[in-house]
Amino acid sequence: NAGVTQTPKFQVLKTGQSMTLQCAQDMNHEYMSWYRQDPGMGLRLIHYSVGAGITDQGEVPNGYNVSRSTTEDFPLRLLSAAPSQTSVYFCASSYSFTRDRAGAFFGQGTRLTVV
Amino acid sequence: AQSVTQLDSHVSVSEGTPVLLRCNYSSSYSPSLFWYVQHPNKGLQLLLKYTSAATLVKGINGFEAEFKKSETSFHLTKPSAHMSDAAEYFCVVSDRPPGSQGNLIFGKGTKLSVKP
Repeated sequence: NAGVTQTPKFQVLKTGQSMTLQCAQDMNHEYMSWYRQDPGMGLRLIHYSVGAGITDQGEVPNGYNVSRSTTEDFPLRLLSAAPSQTSVYFCASSYSFTRDRAGAFFGQGTRLTVV
Repeated sequence: AQSVTQLDSHVSVSEGTPVLLRCNYSSSYSPSLFWYVQHPNKGLQLLLKYTSAATLVKGINGFEAEFKKSETSFHLTKPSAHMSDAAEYFCVVSDRPPGSQGNLIFGKGTKLSVKP
């Protein structure tokens, strides 16, 4: 089925470890983004991309890197995990979330715990 | 800068009674506004959106919202709550004018509880 696929669904890391959260979409969407969700904070934008080779920072980019080498994939890298990065991470994609009837498509989330 | 404020962090209603989830926005132009729903341990689903067409917007599952520019509000309503409506609801604004690609700015969410 078409959509946004995030892997893994769950992950536990030790402080200082690195990892990559994967996000892939098969809808040929130009726009992709990463959010983190923390209790009482809503979703906050980490990084986004308006197309292959183009990325930019969102509201809370520190501690995260992204790249966009293809239209389909938008991985999020944690270079040195910290307990403050314990959160649920969502990837989203859209062609145009104002024109698309469905708005932005969201993945199912990755629940990350840093100990 | 665009922002949204959800006025209640938690709303509790009885099944069969009306639902009102309040959202105020701040924008320097007529914004695009959305309501998303998140059921426990699930992803986000778009309920409805406003992008400068009709001010009363109908969404899925019987929800609707009215854009009121004079009050800078976009409250979500449903005439009769169902147990399956228990979830967290997010009011969202785009940080660009309608028709322009931009980023979604989320409110902090309102948890809706539905009592039998």
